[in-house]
Amino acid sequence: GESVGLHLPTLSVQEGDNSIINCAYSNSASDYFIWYKQESGKGPQFIIDIRSNMDKRQGQRVTVLLNKTVKHLSLQIAATQPGDSAVYFCAEKWSGAGSYQLTFGKGTKLSVIP
Amino acid sequence: NAGVTQTPKFRVLKTGQSMTLLCAQDMNHEYMYWYRQDPGMGLRLIHYSVGEGTTAKGEVPDGYNVSRLKKQNFLLGLESAAPSQTSVYFCASSFGTSGRKEDTQYFGPGTRLTVL
Repeated sequence: GESVGLHLPTLSVQEGDNSIINCAYSNSASDYFIWYKQESGKGPQFIIDIRSNMDKRQGQRVTVLLNKTVKHLSLQIAATQPGDSAVYFCAEKWSGAGSYQLTFGKGTKLSVIP
Repeated sequence: NAGVTQTPKFRVLKTGQSMTLLCAQDMNHEYMYWYRQDPGMGLRLIHYSVGEGTTAKGEVPDGYNVSRLKKQNFLLGLESAAPSQTSVYFCASSFGTSGRKEDTQYFGPGTRLTVL
């Protein structure tokens, strides 16, 4: 079946710089996308989501961009802090009736250099 | 509000032993899910439930059983553990699945299971 994947498995950034984490999805029917953050020893934590009728959505220090033409999703973190060090997962879903499953990517590990 | 809790946090089993993982949520969520997380594999859905008394298979259901006798609890059982079931298990819950923000899945802290 189709699945969500990530371009970069690891990413190291200097504290204060901006981070960009990328994700490619292959299911053109997916209409809802979520970014999760997972710190070591903890469960995934919701960061931000976006529906397919949007191209961009901003949160606090985070922005998600969706390019449906090339089926690409990205998470931008502004002024990266040491507390941002974690594994980041993108997930996709089709919101139609009877659809319950989120499909997760393999994750990108973000390391922030103080 | 504790959110989603899981017990136990760690467990070591011998091949062939059985055990039950407990998930509890206090958010009155209708939907609950069990995932396993393996290195390089991401999160994979084992079973899920769309309400009290209902269960359904996910992506990797073999070797596992589940029960949802109460709305707030979702149990994952391993009847005869195998080394291939060594993994970190996460429970999650959500109000619904329509793709709205309020349907976001909230995860528990995980259970690390080792099968020798």
